[in-house]
Amino acid sequence: QQQVKQSPQSLIVQKGGISIINCAYENTAFDYFPWYQQFPGKGPALLIAIRPDVSEKKEGRFTISFNKSAKQFSLHIMDSQPGDSATYFCAASLGSGSARQLTFGSGTQLTVLP
Amino acid sequence: DADVTQTPRNRITKTGKRIMLECSQTKGHDRMYWYRQDPGLGLRLIYYSFDVKDINKGEISDGYSVSRQAQAKFSLSLESAIPNQTALYFCAATRGNQPQHFGDGTRLSIL
Repeated sequence: QQQVKQSPQSLIVQKGGISIINCAYENTAFDYFPWYQQFPGKGPALLIAIRPDVSEKKEGRFTISFNKSAKQFSLHIMDSQPGDSATYFCAASLGSGSARQLTFGSGTQLTVLP
Repeated sequence: DADVTQTPRNRITKTGKRIMLECSQTKGHDRMYWYRQDPGLGLRLIYYSFDVKDINKGEISDGYSVSRQAQAKFSLSLESAIPNQTALYFCAATRGNQPQHFGDGTRLSIL
């Protein structure tokens, strides 16, 4: 059973545009929602993360929007650049300290055209 | 300077062979993880370890085993490989409330 559903599977955006990737979760006990970025031949790397007590978190061109009542969260990439072309994974976890485990979404392959 | 190093990076083998994938980390992380990545399925947790002598099954542990030889080393074994274990395998490590640091993966093909 997939506990974190991610869409779209792939996304093509023009340079300068806004990229939006959506995730929905089922387990209301999740309390930490990170986004990972993965380039070809590399492992995923943490991009940005949010906890459910805030509705939005922004770091540079990357913003997470969080809707607790709808059990949804999304990643917005403003002014998308060709260097942003990568696979993006949302994730969710619960527990604290050593008990924390990540449940990943299925991934979105983003292509930003020059 | 990579936190987490995986070897080999690529491996092609035949059905029925025993395979070991190795992972080492240099930052003193106490927690280590093995994931499998398949297209359209994201990353799924195979096994994880919170310390030496602590081993826990993840979502998809059947057909796999692990060994935590030391705090810095965590290996994944396929005792008798089968074609549907063809995938990209990632090791990760962390401590405290830090994010997980991933290695660059091992691409495994089983013919």
